[in-house]
Parts: sequence; C-alpha cells; structure tokens
Amino acid sequence: KQEVTQIPAALSVPEGENLVLNCSFTDSAIYNLQWFRQDPGKGLTSLLLIQSSQREQTSGRLNASLDKSSGRSTLYIAASQPGDSATYLCAVRPATTDSWGKLQFGAGTQVVVTP
Amino acid sequence: DARVTQTPRHKVTEMGQEVTMRCQPILGHNTVFWYRQTMMQGLELLAYFRNRAPLDDSGMPKDRFSAEMPDATLATLKIQPSEPRDSAVYFCASGLDRTGYTFGSGTRLTVV
Repeated sequence: KQEVTQIPAALSVPEGENLVLNCSFTDSAIYNLQWFRQDPGKGLTSLLLIQSSQREQTSGRLNASLDKSSGRSTLYIAASQPGDSATYLCAVRPATTDSWGKLQFGAGTQVVVTP
Repeated sequence: DARVTQTPRHKVTEMGQEVTMRCQPILGHNTVFWYRQTMMQGLELLAYFRNRAPLDDSGMPKDRFSAEMPDATLATLKIQPSEPRDSAVYFCASGLDRTGYTFGSGTRLTVV
C-alpha cells in the first residue's frame, strides 16, 4: 500500500526566506503527484501537478521537483511572504490498477511565515 | 475559473438525523471523489466515481453512508443515521486523468 509522508509537520520561517517542503512516498509506481495548499477552515487549492514523466514544474515563486526512483518530491517557495502561511499537502496518484484514480495524501506541513 | 460546488457549506444536525451533502463537479470531469477530513485522521477517501460508475467505496461505513451520482452534474453523500463521530469536513473533488483534481470548499458537518 502506498504511504505518503511529509516532513517536517510544522515549519516557521521569517519573511523573505526560501521554503523547502518535503514529500516522500513508498511506491514509485505513480501516475502523478499534486501539491495543494489549505488555509484554515478552507478547501484545498491545487498548486502544482507533476506527471510521472516530468522532473519538475514551476509556477511563479513555486517550484516542485519529482524523483520517482527515490520516492521524493520537494516543493520550493522562493522569498516567502506572510500570505504563504498555510498547510501544504502533497498527494500521490498511484498507477496501479486497483488504485486507479485515487489520491493518497500526506499529513501536511503547516507553514508560518513571520513578518 | 471552473469550480466544484458543494452544498450546504455548514450543517448542524442532531444524532440520528439523515444528512445529505451535494456536489456539482466541474463540467466534463469524469472522476469524482468524496473525502472526509478530521484533525485526527487527516484526509480519508470515502468513495469515488468514474464516468458516474462507483469504483470504490471501501472507505465508507456501509451501514450508514451511501454515495450516488444520479447524473453527471450531481454527486450526493448521505449519512443515515448520523452520529457525533461523523462530525468532520466533507470534500468533493473532480478531475480528469491528466489534469489533476479540483476540490470544493467542503461541507462542515457537526452532529450533536
């Protein structure tokens, strides 16, 4: 069974510092990996989607890398701002037939960016 | 931007009552999910549909939960009878194979 782990569980950084969030998964047979952001009391907002054939995706200050063979993805947020404070979740979509379409979520990393 | 619409946003009900949550997926999306989020368990998959056909509902307590997709524009999640332990935020999400998934804003359910 696919397991997804996010470390650290919480992170606090001063404004302007770069953020590095880690996601690891146990089974490299994945279809894609998606990073989400969740603000308190809100839904999940998709940030980046990386297909299994890709190594990275970029959107503005966000960059996500994927190393399937080692079971890792990293989300980089450059020049953090207080508005980046949220919980960040990674979700893996397995490529196995019996899990087709399902998303397996990590527990998330809670980020606080202090002014 | 296209959105997944969930109703109601909040629901407070008494134990034993029936609860129905509704979801309007994004037009053209062929996969619909129901997730439940709690502080203790995080995000749990309850059920999902592909082209309106239920593919997996093994995450749902079958004796009280049911999920249906009567047409392509509506997915429903029912709890009957509701219990305090069902209190959680319920999310619906829809997507296509290569575009990832879009989540709704959720239904916050409180069972007293």
